[in-house]
Parts: sequence; C-alpha cells; structure tokens
Amino acid sequence: NAGVMQNPRHLVRRRGQEARLRCSPMKGHSHVYWYRQLPEEGLKFMVYLQKENIIDESGMPKERFSAEFPKEGPSILRIQQVVRGDSAAYFCASSHRSPGQGSAPIYNEQFFGPGTRLTVL
Amino acid sequence: RKEVEQDPGPFNVPEGATVAFNCTYSNSASQSFFWYRQDCRKEPKLLMSVYSSGNEDGRFTAQLNRASQYISLLIRDSKLSDSATYLCVVLPSGYSTLTFGKGTMLLVSP
Repeated sequence: NAGVMQNPRHLVRRRGQEARLRCSPMKGHSHVYWYRQLPEEGLKFMVYLQKENIIDESGMPKERFSAEFPKEGPSILRIQQVVRGDSAAYFCASSHRSPGQGSAPIYNEQFFGPGTRLTVL
Repeated sequence: RKEVEQDPGPFNVPEGATVAFNCTYSNSASQSFFWYRQDCRKEPKLLMSVYSSGNEDGRFTAQLNRASQYISLLIRDSKLSDSATYLCVVLPSGYSTLTFGKGTMLLVSP
C-alpha cells in the first residue's frame, strides 16, 4: 500500500509565477490536509479537504492560495503570483477518518507525504 | 501564549542516556495528543499517541497532565538513531486539524 505521494518534490519558481503542488492520499483515505513549514518554524495547518469539498480553510492566506480535491485525481494546492515569502516545505497528509471520529486517537492519525519544497527566486 | 509550546533545544545527550521533553498547550478543551518525529528535511511521522493514563512503547513513555496542560515524552537508553526533532501535536476539541509545536531537537552522540 503506497503511502501519501506528493509531486514535485522540489519546485523552483520566479516571483509572479504560479506553483501547483499535487498530493495523492493513501489508498482508501478520503481526507486530505495541507500544511506549510517555513524555515525554522513549525508546521502550520492550511486547509482540510474531503472529496470535492473544502471542510476547513482557516489556515489559508486570503489571497493567491487555493486548494481542491476533485472526485478523480490528486488534491492540488495552487499558489498564484508567488513571492519569496512563499518559499517553504508544503506537506500533505491524509487520514481514513475525519479528526475526532472514533473513540481512540489512532483513528485520527494523519499520514504525511514527503513534502514539496518550493523555492521562489 | 502560544497554542503549543516546546523548548526548541537542542538537547545533546550521549548514547544510553535518558532524556525528557515537555510541551504545554493553551486550549484546555483539547481532546487528543500526539508525539511526532521529524528527521531533517523529511516528513513528520507519528511516534505515539498520548493517553490520559500514560502509555509506554518500548523505550518511549508519554504522559499527559490535563490539570497543568502539559505533555511529556521520556526516551530511555537513547540511540544514535533517535536524533531527530520531536513534535508535540494537539487536536483541539471541536477543531478538525492538528496543531503542531515547533519541535524539540535531540542530538544523540556516540
């Protein structure tokens, strides 16, 4: 059973370009989460999606960032008109159930992909 | 007060040592707690969940103190391979997402 897949692993963009980051969840998982880790910082939640629905986008910047998880295909995190401050590692995670379901924390486990390292020149 | 606070370290210990990390959280209604491990430039991986009664997994012991709102991780008989950053993670009640601390770096030397 393949784990969470992310591509590309490394992405270089110039200021003003668009960045598209892809995430394929583990088989059987329908919940996807995106996190951003800035240099020397902890992981920060960005958005939580289920198939075709955004459940929680409270961590997404108001402008330039969008995410989707279509019925078919991977989840996409899209950053328009990138700036240097967008340089970071972007991690995707997936889970079988939504956080809070089940009686034990094990049901909440989120499995992380290897991340995409975005560098904006 | 930060939502999840950890001492960034680094903690430098020799092989075989016992080391303990603490973490405090601000949301008293938080319902689930975890320790994740993150190796340099890699993704976080679940190390263990933390239960109110405390739990042990081999050389690792996790404790939760709800009254004081802190979580601890104890590593016995440290191995070189334990060198990593340990992330304290909280799932606040009523929220759908994990809140991560910045992590505590552990360096185990021969």
